[in-house]
Amino acid sequence: IVVMQSPATLSVSPGERATLSCRASQRLRTNLAWYQQQPGQAPRLLIYDASTRATGVPARFSGSGSGTEFTLTISSLQSEDFAVYYCQEYNNWPPLWTFGQGTRVEV
Amino acid sequence: EVQLLESGGGLVQPGGSLRLSCAASGFTFSNYAMAWVRQAPGMGLEWVSPISGSAGDTYYADSVKGRFTISRDNSKNTLYLQMNRLRADDTAVYYCVRAIGDIGYYMDVWGKGTTVTVSS
Repeated sequence: IVVMQSPATLSVSPGERATLSCRASQRLRTNLAWYQQQPGQAPRLLIYDASTRATGVPARFSGSGSGTEFTLTISSLQSEDFAVYYCQEYNNWPPLWTFGQGTRVEV
Repeated sequence: EVQLLESGGGLVQPGGSLRLSCAASGFTFSNYAMAWVRQAPGMGLEWVSPISGSAGDTYYADSVKGRFTISRDNSKNTLYLQMNRLRADDTAVYYCVRAIGDIGYYMDVWGKGTTVTVSS
């Protein structure tokens, strides 16, 4: 499975809405997760099963989609949201899941 | 508090070996699949190898198959990655992760990572 994220870089102002896309080469049902990675830090789980927020994730983060098209939306960007975001599929077998190449959200 | 603490990274020559360890705390280790994920400098994430909670099931990325071995000691709450015949393209930060699902689907807890550098 190939997982493609777009855009590679998204320039957004604080308070604006950000929409990130993840597209898969095969149907994934809703077996997709999103992660946030701040510079110099480990990734953090944001969304799993395409639309379920992980524990402690603010409500401004939402995920949607199924099949081959998925979206991560950040409704009103805060300063701490400027980071790299990765999607990851977990529908394939054997379980050697694929990450997208990442979207950098910058000011 | 749920924590994962990796150790064992370092500088190694091509062809050499390293063993990474990951000490888990704050949860019932044997109830969870675990995995290693790596990130080469300036690059994205790569799923390397998962292992089921019972250690009965393991899988490997094609890039490491036959060279790396994942294992766990549930009595010590520790995950391992034995890396042999290391190559320059194995240079990366290696993250220990807790994975949800019998063999691990998505990763809800990440360690801070340990750096492996393969260079002469």
